[in-house]
Amino acid sequence: DAKTTQPNSMESNEEEPVHLPCNHSTISGTDYIHWYRQLPSQGPEYVIHGLTSNVNNRMASLAIAEDRKSSTLILHRATLRDAAVYYCILEGAQKLVFGQGTRLTINP
Amino acid sequence: DAGVIQSPRHEVTEMGQEVTLRCKPISGHDYLFWYRQTMMRGLELLIYFNNNVPIDDSGMPEDRFSAKMPNASFSTLKIQPSEPRDSAVYFCASSGDYPYEQYFGPGTRLTVT
Repeated sequence: DAKTTQPNSMESNEEEPVHLPCNHSTISGTDYIHWYRQLPSQGPEYVIHGLTSNVNNRMASLAIAEDRKSSTLILHRATLRDAAVYYCILEGAQKLVFGQGTRLTINP
Repeated sequence: DAGVIQSPRHEVTEMGQEVTLRCKPISGHDYLFWYRQTMMRGLELLIYFNNNVPIDDSGMPEDRFSAKMPNASFSTLKIQPSEPRDSAVYFCASSGDYPYEQYFGPGTRLTVT
């Protein structure tokens, strides 16, 4: 499975935008990029996915580099409820392989 | 829909006992996944089913673990005999015809003493 690299942790302030980076230099042409998050004491939650174009939904935006070797998950206005571990995953063989993710802390 | 339902939410058992974890996927979903999460190893996929048929069980740790899906609305993960190193949170997830948008249950926290 192609690998992703994310910072171990990030910190931001409430009501400010948050940009969570992910590097995936070995991505293949057909790999979709998926983001999940896991709030404390809960199961992971699907956030967003994309292939080449930037994507928006009610939770977040996904910005994908032109060469597709990196992507950024954007939370436009962070709330305390967004404190979670965020996972960037490349799809493969109908399986999601979760890495260690980025632990996001939101300061009030 | 109630989402993915898992039972029990917590299980404490002694080493050597049989443990059965249960999962009810979201109605109409074709895929069902079992994961295990520990601090040391993170979130690991154990096995997944498509239309009740096991597709990939390469993540099942050893023969002590078995999973079944007798129908579209029920799956079990069984550990026999259980060992302390099996202590973890076990998640069940389901998805529709797109296997990468998965909906996770609340998990079962298993403690083996």
